[in-house]
Amino acid sequence: DAGVIQSPRHEVTEMGQEVTLRCKPISGHNSLFWYRQTMMRGLELLIYFNNNVPIDDSGMPEDRFSAKMPNASFSTLKIQPSEPRDSAVYFCASSLGSVRVGQPQHFGDGTRLSIL
Amino acid sequence: GQQVMQIPQYQHVQEGEDFTTYCNSSTTLSNIQWYKQRPGGHPVFLIQLVKSGEVKKQKRLTFQFGEAKKNSSLHITATQTTDVGTYFCAGGGNEKLTFGTGTRLTIIP
Repeated sequence: DAGVIQSPRHEVTEMGQEVTLRCKPISGHNSLFWYRQTMMRGLELLIYFNNNVPIDDSGMPEDRFSAKMPNASFSTLKIQPSEPRDSAVYFCASSLGSVRVGQPQHFGDGTRLSIL
Repeated sequence: GQQVMQIPQYQHVQEGEDFTTYCNSSTTLSNIQWYKQRPGGHPVFLIQLVKSGEVKKQKRLTFQFGEAKKNSSLHITATQTTDVGTYFCAGGGNEKLTFGTGTRLTIIP
């Protein structure tokens, strides 16, 4: 079975550019999560979707960040404009059922983002 | 909001020694999950505990959930080089799963 698929795996871009990260969750999973991981802040939840609807976006840093889930098989995380402090590994994860149900989360390989 | 702390932040052990990481939540949890992240990899789900005082084992790994459902521990017996990585607990409460700060385990051969 295919796991969570993220693209690109690596992204290097200059400050001020728009960055779009993509995620395809596991088929049949109805919850999707975007995380950011850095040495300083650890693993932070940015946003959580259930049935394509954003449930918790309290972790989204600021207006420069936006996330969409137009359908059950695709989600994007966009940063515009990007800044050097956005450099991190961004993970997408999916699970079967909502967080309340307590299902395990399956993570993608992540996108390593470097903003110069 | 809910906070989940883990100690220690780092642990270096000789191969064959035991290892324990502790997880503490600021609020009562409905469940707790444990994940392992190998260097350069992504978090991988290990186990979930739901009941107060629950203990589960996976080979050399023993997981416990506290009676008050606010703390948990992971104990590895006789560590091996394959145990290297960062271990995260993740506390479930309401509509939120909060990951702990993680414990990075390194093994000295």
